[in-house]
Amino acid sequence: KAGVTQTPRYLIKTRGQQVTLSCSPISGHRSVSWYQQTPGQGLQFLFEYFSETQRNKGNFPGRFSGRQFSNSRSEMNVSTLELGDSALYLCASSAGLSNEQFFGPGTRLTVL
Amino acid sequence: AQKITQTQPGMFVQEKEAVTLDCTYDTSDPSYGLFWYKQPSSGEMIFLIYQGSYDQQNATEGRYSLNFQKARKSANLVISASQLGDSAMYFCAMREGRDRQNNDMRFGAGTRLTVKP
Repeated sequence: KAGVTQTPRYLIKTRGQQVTLSCSPISGHRSVSWYQQTPGQGLQFLFEYFSETQRNKGNFPGRFSGRQFSNSRSEMNVSTLELGDSALYLCASSAGLSNEQFFGPGTRLTVL
Repeated sequence: AQKITQTQPGMFVQEKEAVTLDCTYDTSDPSYGLFWYKQPSSGEMIFLIYQGSYDQQNATEGRYSLNFQKARKSANLVISASQLGDSAMYFCAMREGRDRQNNDMRFGAGTRLTVKP
């Protein structure tokens, strides 16, 4: 089985731009969660999607949004980028009743 | 409030020896799950072990075991027979709530483990 894939792996943007990150979960997994990892704040939960519905949301501003498609693939969008948005964005998928979240390799976003 | 605390920013261990990575947590929910993940320099998070709050026995997965002390709210990871490939960041995480499908996980700050040859 293929693992969780994230594209792109690296991204450089400038302040004020917007960005869209993509995550393809493991086949059969319907839950996709997004996390932001920074040296200062560590790993923080952004949101989770299950069957195209946002089920949980972390404490992030409205500039951070996401969606999930019928094939469970998920996208995360950040609008009006700020320098502090520079981070590793990790996506994780899990099956409905699984305890394990399987993470992708992440997208490293740099905002200049 | 910080829900997961990992007090060891860095740890060193000699190859083939055992090492314990500390994790304490805070929750008022009687139902929760505790996780340990390994993050090598490549950045990918690798699931290691899981402990449910109602599990009677400590979880074990190969060389990994979880020393679960519920009354003390601690969930330390024990790695036996350390290998050079164990050098990585290790994160303790918790998921609260009865709903197993709740994937809102809170992570600790992590411990960087270095295995010396």
